[in-house]
Amino acid sequence: DIQMTQSPSSLSASVGDRVTITCRASQGIRNYIAWYQQKPGKAPKLLISSASRLESGVPSRFSGSGSGTAFTLSISGLQPEDCATYYCQQFYTSPTWTFGQGTKVEIK
Amino acid sequence: QVQLVQSGSEMRKPGASVKVSCKASGYTFTHFSLNWVRQAPGHGLEWMGRINTRSGIPTYAQDFTGRFVFSFDASVNTAYLQINSLKAEDTAFYYCARDLQDWYSDFWGQGTLVTVSS
Repeated sequence: DIQMTQSPSSLSASVGDRVTITCRASQGIRNYIAWYQQKPGKAPKLLISSASRLESGVPSRFSGSGSGTAFTLSISGLQPEDCATYYCQQFYTSPTWTFGQGTKVEIK
Repeated sequence: QVQLVQSGSEMRKPGASVKVSCKASGYTFTHFSLNWVRQAPGHGLEWMGRINTRSGIPTYAQDFTGRFVFSFDASVNTAYLQINSLKAEDTAFYYCARDLQDWYSDFWGQGTLVTVSS
């Protein structure tokens, strides 16, 4: 099974800061990764697919990069509405998936 | 617009069964599989598996074989998750989510809380 390890598990940053979340796969997954945002009490929302493709309607301050085993989700210019938990998900082993354990982003 | 509307919260005793529904609208139901994802309170997301709404074939994640059953009724655009022999550790939110090519999910239901307690 492919394990997805996110770091950090939580972070606190100021409004306007650049925030970077890392997701590492236990083996190479090419670019077969998606990122989701989950706000408290809400369902997850798809932000990025195939490592770097921004979904329609997602603010351009979100970006994704990486290939192989190391991936990042960045938020350039953190906003209060970005307080959420972010999850990576690999689909290299499609039809089965694995999620990372999540990274909680808070505002200082 | 695409919507997935799930049934309301449920409370059951250990050993009982529960059936959660997920009604789809805004797209052709049989053109997209539906995934099921579990989230225990305060924990992360676990992919449970998916049901192919064209072929009827379910795929279960390793940890969700045996007591978990995916089904659907295309005549009412609704998918179902049944959990049998409930355990306290099944207490969680259960989400349905539309599947894109077995790669990721673009639309999610609002979640259904299942509480298992004696």
